[in-house]
Parts: sequence; structure tokens; C-alpha cells
Amino acid sequence: QKEVEQDPGPLSVPEGAIVSLNCTYSNSAFQYFMWYRQYSRKGPELLMYTYSSGNKEDGRFTAQVDKSSKYISLFIRDSQPSDSATYLCAMSKAAGNKLTFGGGTRVLVKP
Amino acid sequence: GAVVSQHPSRVICKSGTSVKIECRSLDFQATTMFWYRQFPKQSLMLMATSNEGSKATYEQGVEKDKFLINHASLTLSTLTVTSAHPEDSSFYICSARGAGNLANYGYTFGSGTRLTVV
Repeated sequence: QKEVEQDPGPLSVPEGAIVSLNCTYSNSAFQYFMWYRQYSRKGPELLMYTYSSGNKEDGRFTAQVDKSSKYISLFIRDSQPSDSATYLCAMSKAAGNKLTFGGGTRVLVKP
Repeated sequence: GAVVSQHPSRVICKSGTSVKIECRSLDFQATTMFWYRQFPKQSLMLMATSNEGSKATYEQGVEKDKFLINHASLTLSTLTVTSAHPEDSSFYICSARGAGNLANYGYTFGSGTRLTVV
């Protein structure tokens, strides 16, 4: 069983809809949680970073962490075709430690 | 913001030759760099972690003699794929983190190198 599970999708939504992404993990030692966006044949780009449980909002993005359930989420409001990409969750046990990635969810926002 | 430059973006080489990939942190000092490999439609697989001035730490199953990593300065790390074979064809991505507060804000990734061995 993988340490971090993520539905591979693809997740197809109409433009303007809310995109809901999530990851589950098994290791309670994870403390730092990140969401990355990766366009085809490009390196991942950091979207959101959270420490421990709670919510964080940045523009159209909201990240949630529920450590008791070992579940993290990313919501994208007012989705745009340019949001079409693969979204990867990642987590680490301490600041600066190596990241453990989920498998990525491919998102397609249709105009 | 923190920028990591990776070069080349794409390389084709003949089987048996070696290929060097460079990863540079442009506006910060990268105390640690990570090298990943990514197969099509799959996630990133960590190959090794390198700290400036010391030997790299390789993940289980990664051949140290095949994937040579050098992190000689705080702004440059290189990955050399030695005696490349077609099965080494993949997308290689580096990531860097700096000291201090930067260490708490995720990691900056390079744009990746697509290696094709023919």
C-alpha cells in the first residue's frame, strides 16, 4: 500500500465549477502538506503549503488538512481552462525533509 | 521568488554514452537538492538527495554508479546518467530548497529534462 493515495482521475469539470481534489495518507508522522500543479512535460509548481491541520486560502485555492482523518484537500474555485493540469499532493515529516508524493490527479476544465 | 533552472530541457543520446543534467538555483543558495524521475502519467519518484559538499543519499533501488550526483556548490547540482540505456529514458526533475525560511515553504522545482536513449 502506498503511503500517499490520490485518485488519478481524469477529473473533468465545466469552466467556472469548483474542482475538488484530495489525498489520503497512512503515516501520521507527516506534518507539512503541499499541493503542486504540473503541466505536461514541465516541473511541478507549488500552489499551496500548509503545516499541520487547518485551512489555508490563497485566491481561488483553498487547502484543508485533517490530520485526525489523514486526509487533505484542495479546492479550486471558478475553474478556468488554464487550470487543466495534473495536481500532485506532497507531504514531509519535517521542514526540509524529502517529499512523499501522491500519484497525481489529472484535471480537465472544459470551456 | 525562488527560481531553479534545469538544463538541458531535452536530450537524445546513443546507448552507452553518458549524459549530464544541470540544476541551478538562480536567486538563492540551495543547501539541499533532490533528483526525481518521472515516467509518463506517473508521479515523481525520488532518486537521491544531495547536500552541498557531501555525498548524495540514494533511495533504495537506485544505482549509485549509474546515476552520479555532484553538488559541489550552493547553486549547482549535476546528475550524470552513465552508460545510458533505453530503459533510462525518462523525465528527470530536480528540486532545491534553501536554508532558513525558504526551507519551510515547500521546494522549488526545475522544469525537467526529457532524456531519450536510442
